[in-house]
Amino acid sequence: QVQLQQSGPGLVKPSQTLSLTCGISGDSVSSDSAAWNWIRQSPSRGLEWLGRTYYRSKWYNDYAISVKSRIVINADTSKNQFSLQLNSVAPEDTAMYYCARDGPMGTFDYWGQGTLVSVSS
Amino acid sequence: DIQMTQSPSTLSASVGDSVTITCRASQSISTWLAWYQQKPGKAPKVLIYKASSLEGGVPSRFSGSGSGTEFSLTITGLQPDDFATYYCQQYKSFSKTFGQGTKVEIK
Repeated sequence: QVQLQQSGPGLVKPSQTLSLTCGISGDSVSSDSAAWNWIRQSPSRGLEWLGRTYYRSKWYNDYAISVKSRIVINADTSKNQFSLQLNSVAPEDTAMYYCARDGPMGTFDYWGQGTLVSVSS
Repeated sequence: DIQMTQSPSTLSASVGDSVTITCRASQSISTWLAWYQQKPGKAPKVLIYKASSLEGGVPSRFSGSGSGTEFSLTITGLQPDDFATYYCQQYKSFSKTFGQGTKVEIK
């Protein structure tokens, strides 16, 4: 059974960097049949896919156009986890952030518990 | 990005009713469509993939249909546990997008 465990601060100041980590158990971040995603949810924007990292003989990343200039997703194979960094945050980045696995069927089949991140001074 | 539009936004129904939620894509996505259920304070849970395939462990009262740009999710015989918000999501493009959600509430 795959489990994803999120960690990171729930409060970030405007213009600073939002950093979250998603620990994986029951699967490998280096799996050649999965991708590891960050998704956020807010009342104003709904469910919004932010980006993913995955390994297919080498590492790849894809990012949403809306955040492409500000986002970095990295995998840490030694800890079997992946992380999200979102730079230059603003109040509109306030949301529930989820990590999720993109599994063999192409859907988000496993999700983290969610982290509510508020951007406020 | 491919835009996903769901209707209705809210649906009021009683236990035992059958309900249908529709989802329209801004361009053809073949059958690369999933449906999720989300309850308050929880992450979404996948119900249907490939437009009509039931995820393991999901009750058979849930069914999906459609292809191209028009899709639907039907719940036949609503149970108390089914009152929740439902989202469609396309995965034809790597930039996966969700509908805005349909809240199924108790009449």
